[in-house]
Amino acid sequence: DIQMTQSPSSLSASVGDRVTITCRASQSISSYLNWYQLKPGKAPKLLIYAASSLQSGVPSRFSGSGSGTDFTLTISSLQPEDFATYYCQQTYISWTFGQGTKVEIK
Amino acid sequence: EVQLVESGGGLVQPGGSLRLSCAASGFTFSRYWMHWVRQAPGKGLVWVSRINSDGSDTSYADSVKGRFTTSRDNAKNTLYLQMNSLRAGDTAVYYCARAVPTYPAFDIWGQGTMVTVSS
Repeated sequence: DIQMTQSPSSLSASVGDRVTITCRASQSISSYLNWYQLKPGKAPKLLIYAASSLQSGVPSRFSGSGSGTDFTLTISSLQPEDFATYYCQQTYISWTFGQGTKVEIK
Repeated sequence: EVQLVESGGGLVQPGGSLRLSCAASGFTFSRYWMHWVRQAPGKGLVWVSRINSDGSDTSYADSVKGRFTTSRDNAKNTLYLQMNSLRAGDTAVYYCARAVPTYPAFDIWGQGTMVTVSS
């Protein structure tokens, strides 16, 4: 099984901050990496697919990078609606999620 | 509007059964593979199962294999998850999700339905 490790598990940031979340795979997954945003009581939202492709309708302040085993989700200027939990997902073999990164208000 | 709405969650005793439904609207349901994903309280997302567009092929996480069955009724635009021999560890919010046709990602999700397994 492919394990996905996200860091940090939580972070505190202010509106306008640049935020970076990393995700590491236990083996190479090429670019089969997606990022999702979860808010309590709401449907999860696909942000980034194929490591760096922005899903339609997602603000351009979200970006993704990486390939192989190391990946990054960046929010260039944190907005109030971005406080949420973010998950990476590998789809190279089956489907596995990271443990999540909670972005909280500082 | 493209939408998925789960239902059927609730409280069930260990060893019991429950069937979840996921009603799809706003898109041609029969063209898409569908997945179930769950999130236990305070934990992360875990993939549960997948079904192809015509329902002829399914796959499951090892933790639910032999106990859970995924099916679909394309005439009713509805996905199902039959859960048998439920355990406390199955307690979670269950989400249905639509698979992107051209790339392995889940582009539309429901809001989830809570399943609690407890005596």
